[in-house]
Amino acid sequence: KAGVTQTPRYLIKTRGQQVTLSCSPISGHRSVSWYQQTPGQGLQFLFEYFSETQRNKGNFPGRFSGRQFSNSRSEMNVSTLELGDSALYLCASSWGLGEGKNIQYFGAGTRLSVL
Amino acid sequence: GNSVTQMEGPVTLSEEAFLTINCTYTATGYPSLFWYVQYPGEGLQLLLKATKADDKGSNKGFEATYRKETTSFHLEKGSVQVSDSAVYFCALGLNDMRFGAGTRLTVKP
Repeated sequence: KAGVTQTPRYLIKTRGQQVTLSCSPISGHRSVSWYQQTPGQGLQFLFEYFSETQRNKGNFPGRFSGRQFSNSRSEMNVSTLELGDSALYLCASSWGLGEGKNIQYFGAGTRLSVL
Repeated sequence: GNSVTQMEGPVTLSEEAFLTINCTYTATGYPSLFWYVQYPGEGLQLLLKATKADDKGSNKGFEATYRKETTSFHLEKGSVQVSDSAVYFCALGLNDMRFGAGTRLTVKP
């Protein structure tokens, strides 16, 4: 069974640009969560999607957005990039909502560098 | 709010030493507790979990017991190997998942 696939693995952008990251969950998983990982702030929850609806949102500005498609694939978008957005962005999928009872399976991440 | 506090690293041990990484939590409700591990260049992998008080999670020689009275979920391993070198995250699952800051473990031969 294929794992969680994130594309691209690496991205370099400049300030002010926008970026879209993609996540394909494990087949049969309906929930996709996104996290930002930085050395200073650690792992921070961005949002969670289930059945194409955003169910939970972390404390990030509106420049961070996402969506989920009918096949459970998800994308996240960051507009007007800032230097502080440089991070590893991790996607995790689970069968149900991330209520702790469902194990989350993580992708390898997309490393975004903003210059 | 719900949160996890784990022992700051880095932790450096010699092969075959005993490992403890402390993790305490704050939660309103009855969370599930997890330990995830992240190897260099990879995403997080579930190491073990416990869903209720007094449950013991175990995997690959690692163990952690869900202690409600002390709100703790400390990770232990009796004899670490060089291949255990990684970053370990304690996590709490209730309405969403909250992760600790991570503890980097380096095991030297």
